[in-house]
Amino acid sequence: SQQGEEDPQALSIQEGENATMNCSYKTSINNLQWYRQNSGRGLVHLILIRSNEREKHSGRLRVTLDTSKKSSSLLITASRAADTASYFCATDVNSGYALNFGKGTSLLVTP
Amino acid sequence: DTGVSQDPRHKITKRGQNVTFRCDPISEHNRLYWYRQTLGQGPEFLTYFQNEAQLEKSRLLSDRFSAERPKGSFSTLEIQRTEQGDSAMYLCASSQTGWETQYFGPGTRLLVL
Repeated sequence: SQQGEEDPQALSIQEGENATMNCSYKTSINNLQWYRQNSGRGLVHLILIRSNEREKHSGRLRVTLDTSKKSSSLLITASRAADTASYFCATDVNSGYALNFGKGTSLLVTP
Repeated sequence: DTGVSQDPRHKITKRGQNVTFRCDPISEHNRLYWYRQTLGQGPEFLTYFQNEAQLEKSRLLSDRFSAERPKGSFSTLEIQRTEQGDSAMYLCASSQTGWETQYFGPGTRLLVL
């Protein structure tokens, strides 16, 4: 079974708007990672946040982690049509071994 | 291109046939992972190698599945006696010891008729 669960399952916004996706998980983690997948392709790593971190930024991405609530959020600011993709959170329980992925959030950014 | 590569990209086979997929990781990476992804789902872990040693296998990896990494470089995933339920995208990823980020290949999409 999958550890993480993203919310919402689907999100549709216009270019320039911000997109927020949430991830909840069940067990203690070493780190949490966010990946992007364009239609039918492999996954691209976006950002990693460790269990002792609360917030991290990378370009237009902002990730937060609340280990007490076992949840994380991914914010994409000033979205572009090229951000259209599925976004997955993945939890790393054993540090560098299997990643446990959620079902993903499908983001559609329209011009 | 120094990314993870997978071959073939697409495979159509008939139920009962055997199939084999290949993954070439990023050259300096000593860890290699296989995942399976079905439509509308996130990837699910299948197995993991550190160098040539297979260190972890998921319960999803039935007896019909076998993976090898004989020289600690490329890896193969074989499915024997394929079933329609095996239809999925098979993803390979690699990483370096001490680095948690996994780098994924483009995947092999399998369709079992």
